[in-house]
Amino acid sequence: QVQLQQWGAGLLKPSETLSLTCVVFGESFSDYYWSWIRRPPGKGLEWIGEVNHSGTTKYNKSLKSRLTISVDTSKNQFSLNLNSMTAADTGVYFCAGGRGGELEQWGQGTLVTVSS
Amino acid sequence: SYVLTQPPSVSVAPGKTARIPCGGENIGSKSVHWYQHKPAQAPVMVIHIDSDRPSGIPERFSGSNSGGSATLTITSVEPGDEADYFCQVWDGSSDHGVFGGGTKLTVL
Repeated sequence: QVQLQQWGAGLLKPSETLSLTCVVFGESFSDYYWSWIRRPPGKGLEWIGEVNHSGTTKYNKSLKSRLTISVDTSKNQFSLNLNSMTAADTGVYFCAGGRGGELEQWGQGTLVTVSS
Repeated sequence: SYVLTQPPSVSVAPGKTARIPCGGENIGSKSVHWYQHKPAQAPVMVIHIDSDRPSGIPERFSGSNSGGSATLTITSVEPGDEADYFCQVWDGSSDHGVFGGGTKLTVL
């Protein structure tokens, strides 16, 4: 069973870029798909995108123009960059991993606030 | 894009059974996963692939996917089960994950 730990800046100004990183502890990094999910205040979970160990990505179409998800297999890490942040991007961001379409293990979450 | 529909809220008395539906077009052809999300915590997968329960999840949690709807069932509900519950599938046509809007389970 893998464990995930994430980090990154939690307070941003409008137009800045969000950068989050998630490190994976345990075996089988290459067996999983690594995802980012967010939950805005008062709303539900939103799937942001995923990457596999080869660097192949899939993105939510609504975020695709601003989004980059990358992987560093040498460090068992994957990262999210979301540019041109606005208040609508405020929420808790989670990293997660799964071996199929499900999300088996989750990071602890990072509260991201966009405010001038 | 694919849409999953859940009721915003379900209320149940302690010890009773809670059923949370999740609807979507031809959902029976998809694998449905369920997550429990409590405030200030990470979500937890409680059911995957329609009805499989991950290790560590109580047997009180079960899932089904037939008849045009997927359902999460929680028997002998406890106060600690109070949380938001989300269904999720992989949408092959758009090639990305999709969550239902979530259902807030209130234990009366």
